[in-house]
Amino acid sequence: AQTVTQSQPEMSVQEAETVTLSCTYDTSESDYYLFWYKQPPSRQMILVIRQEAYKQQNATENRFSVNFQKAAKSFSLKISDSQLGDAAMYFCAYSAANFGNEKLTFGTGTRLTIIP
Amino acid sequence: EPEVTQTPSHQVTQMGQEVILRCVPISNHLYFYWYRQILGQKVEFLVSFYNNEISEKSEIFDDQFSVERPDGSNFTLKIRSTKLEDSAMYFCASIGSAERPTGELFFGEGSRLTVL
Repeated sequence: AQTVTQSQPEMSVQEAETVTLSCTYDTSESDYYLFWYKQPPSRQMILVIRQEAYKQQNATENRFSVNFQKAAKSFSLKISDSQLGDAAMYFCAYSAANFGNEKLTFGTGTRLTIIP
Repeated sequence: EPEVTQTPSHQVTQMGQEVILRCVPISNHLYFYWYRQILGQKVEFLVSFYNNEISEKSEIFDDQFSVERPDGSNFTLKIRSTKLEDSAMYFCASIGSAERPTGELFFGEGSRLTVL
């Protein structure tokens, strides 16, 4: 079974600084997707960034980027120029790349606080 | 922008009562999911639904749970006889054929269920 581990229950960063959230996972699949979802106090989970396992290039979305290390099964999220609106719970998630199985396996989350 | 909507946002019920949580997925989506998040814990998969039947369900999704799509737009989760441990946030999610290759699910804002 796939597992996703986030070892940092809480993180804080000064506004405008950079922070990295860690995630490791375990799977026997060779092809899969990894995601970072953001859950602000409004509760709705929003996709931040996605990485296809077959792609070596790390995904980037504006201030958000990932460091995907397939061999190490590591998938960290870097947030540059942190903003107050980035404060939220961040979940790392895994999905097998099978049609008919978009089930997500989530980590336990990291609560990110932005210090003004 | 299309979104997944859920009602009610919060429901309080007595133990042993039946509860129905409702979701309206994005209109052209065909694959539907329920997830659960007990306070302070990770988001857990409950069930996936396609073509009017359950595709996959977790161990959590026992006989007291059921899902249906009664009218082609709503997607409901029923808990027949609620227990204290059913208190959680319940998230509905959907995905369309165009998004399936990416594995990206679209989540609703959640329904908080409190069982007393």
